[in-house]
Amino acid sequence: DIQMTQSPSSVSASVGDRVTITCRASQGISSWLAWYQQKPGKAPKLLIYAASSLQSGVPSRFSGSGSGTDFTLTISSLQPEDSATYYCQQANSFSPTFGGGTKVEIK
Amino acid sequence: EVQLVESGGGFGGGLVQPGGSLRLSCAASGFTFNSYEMNWVRQAPGKGLEWVSYISTSGNTIYYADSVKGRFTISRDSAKNSLYLQMNSLRAEDTAVYYCARHSYSGSNYGFDLWGRGTLVTVSS
Repeated sequence: DIQMTQSPSSVSASVGDRVTITCRASQGISSWLAWYQQKPGKAPKLLIYAASSLQSGVPSRFSGSGSGTDFTLTISSLQPEDSATYYCQQANSFSPTFGGGTKVEIK
Repeated sequence: EVQLVESGGGFGGGLVQPGGSLRLSCAASGFTFNSYEMNWVRQAPGKGLEWVSYISTSGNTIYYADSVKGRFTISRDSAKNSLYLQMNSLRAEDTAVYYCARHSYSGSNYGFDLWGRGTLVTVSS
């Protein structure tokens, strides 16, 4: 199975800050990576697919980049409603795997 | 409204003993169920997400995570717009919230674009 490693595991930032989360795959996955946001007690929500494509209805302050093994999710200007856990997921195989998650907190 | 609704576990119940069985259901509405590949994804309490199983639109192609292979069976019923997960030989480590998740219409490479609210399964004596 392809292993996905996210960093950091948690980040605390102020409203308006730029936040960057990284995800590394144990082998190349082309651009087949998705990012999700999950708030406590809720189902995950798709933010980004194919590494850099914004899902419909997702605010433009979210962006994704990368290919191969290294990927990044960026929140350009952190908002209070962005407090959540973020997961990356490789979509390169029929055994999809998720990263361990990054908890984003507002200072 | 486009939605997926799981049942069979439950946040007020869904308690089963180790070695027992449980069948989860996922009712789809608001979209053409037959046109979408479907999955089960689970999340143990306080932990991350783990993909469990996949089924193609026709039901002819099925995949399982190694952790559930031989114990869980995924199926779908187009007439009822429903997805199922039959879980046998349950273990304590199967305790989790189970989500029904839809692949993007563009295919499995594009992530899971619709999720249910989840149903809790607790395996304990």
